[in-house]
Amino acid sequence: DTGVSQDPRHKITKRGQNVTFRCDPISEHNRLYWYRQTLGQGPEFLTYFQNEAQLEKSRLLSDRFSAERPKGSFSTLEIQRTEQGDSAMYLCASSLDRDQETQYFGPGTRLLVL
Amino acid sequence: AQTVTQSQPEMSVQEAETVTLSCTYDTSESDYYLFWYKQPPSRQMILVIRQEAYKQQNATENRFSVNFQKAAKSFSLKISDSQLGDAAMYFCAYGGSGTYKYIFGTGTRLKVLA
Repeated sequence: DTGVSQDPRHKITKRGQNVTFRCDPISEHNRLYWYRQTLGQGPEFLTYFQNEAQLEKSRLLSDRFSAERPKGSFSTLEIQRTEQGDSAMYLCASSLDRDQETQYFGPGTRLLVL
Repeated sequence: AQTVTQSQPEMSVQEAETVTLSCTYDTSESDYYLFWYKQPPSRQMILVIRQEAYKQQNATENRFSVNFQKAAKSFSLKISDSQLGDAAMYFCAYGGSGTYKYIFGTGTRLKVLA
């Protein structure tokens, strides 16, 4: 399977705990994106990497959120001190390193904060 | 700021019939691109069709076609010969030139009736 993969697919945690999600993009894609999707809504942009550089962050990404892409390959999204409002689907997408390239999405990680 | 509006929360279509999903957007840019993505229940979002704003010809992919009206800022999706496997959430998305993030509508849930 050469698509975007995400791990875990589901995560249940208690409020106040830290969680980390992983995204593996399509192998030749240098651009990587994180989105958040809440129930009944479309995905909302969180952050974007070009290779290992994080080039844009949404105001939705509070200081409890941190994303990394250390070697320009896979990426991690960490949420510290989770809150119930963090419950959502976290989607990762990747694209080729050219403007206006189509983004291809992974299956998402569904987070439930109790 | 750009916005995307999908005014039909839910649509139904009989198998083998044709259905049209509506999408309008607002932008001051002249160069952009538009997408329809399909998100089946508990499965990942996949690209259905893409339209570049500079192209006057409407995009077509097998049973899927769009009606792109640039002046009206309208981008509807027509599904012909609907199949049971077409049942899903459909999201309209906007990608601006020189930006990385997509802006999504709230989605339309399509039900296909046997």
